[in-house]
Amino acid sequence: GQSLEQPSEVTAVEGAIVQINCTYQTSGFYGLSWYQQHDGGAPTFLSYNALDGLEETGRFSSFLSRSDSYGYLLLQELQMKDSASYFCAVSQDSNYQLIWGAGTKLIIKP
Amino acid sequence: KAGVTQTPRYLIKTRGQQVTLSCSPISGHRSVSWYQQTPGQGLQFLFEYFSETQRNKGNFPGRFSGRQFSNSRSEMNVSTLELGDSALYLCASSPASGADEQYFGPGTRLTVT
Repeated sequence: GQSLEQPSEVTAVEGAIVQINCTYQTSGFYGLSWYQQHDGGAPTFLSYNALDGLEETGRFSSFLSRSDSYGYLLLQELQMKDSASYFCAVSQDSNYQLIWGAGTKLIIKP
Repeated sequence: KAGVTQTPRYLIKTRGQQVTLSCSPISGHRSVSWYQQTPGQGLQFLFEYFSETQRNKGNFPGRFSGRQFSNSRSEMNVSTLELGDSALYLCASSPASGADEQYFGPGTRLTVT
């Protein structure tokens, strides 16, 4: 079967760093994406990794290890506005859909 | 560029009725994907359309159907509504493949009573 595993909830303190992990098991792999969704809002694209390594975009970074079927999203200098759900999603090389994880709710405390 | 638009934003229907939701993708985007999202759940893939052709379909009953028009606008239809169909229905567009970076609309909140 195909599955993505990510923690259901993570709590961190404002100004700190937090890492959200995602492990996947899919038939075929093309890339790993991360999306952010605030309560009541629509998902918005954060990052995409097709190759091993770290991609940095401002305070957010995303990492991929294809050999370990593992990736993570790293959020630095946390701000209260980062409180949201974060989804990892895998694109396969055989079809035209994203396979989504169940999401990680990030709670930030002052 | 205008973003993805979905209509209506909110809808209340009675069990057994049918509903049609509409999605207008970003101009130039040819792929439209539909998702169902329920509280605490990830996005459940419904189907993806490209150039009026359904390229992929998720694991939903036949009551869920969709189509795409020549201008890339898409509709999804749910017939014989059930209470469990209450959810946020999201539409996302992308330039080519449904697996590309997706741009989401605000969603349609469907409540079935």
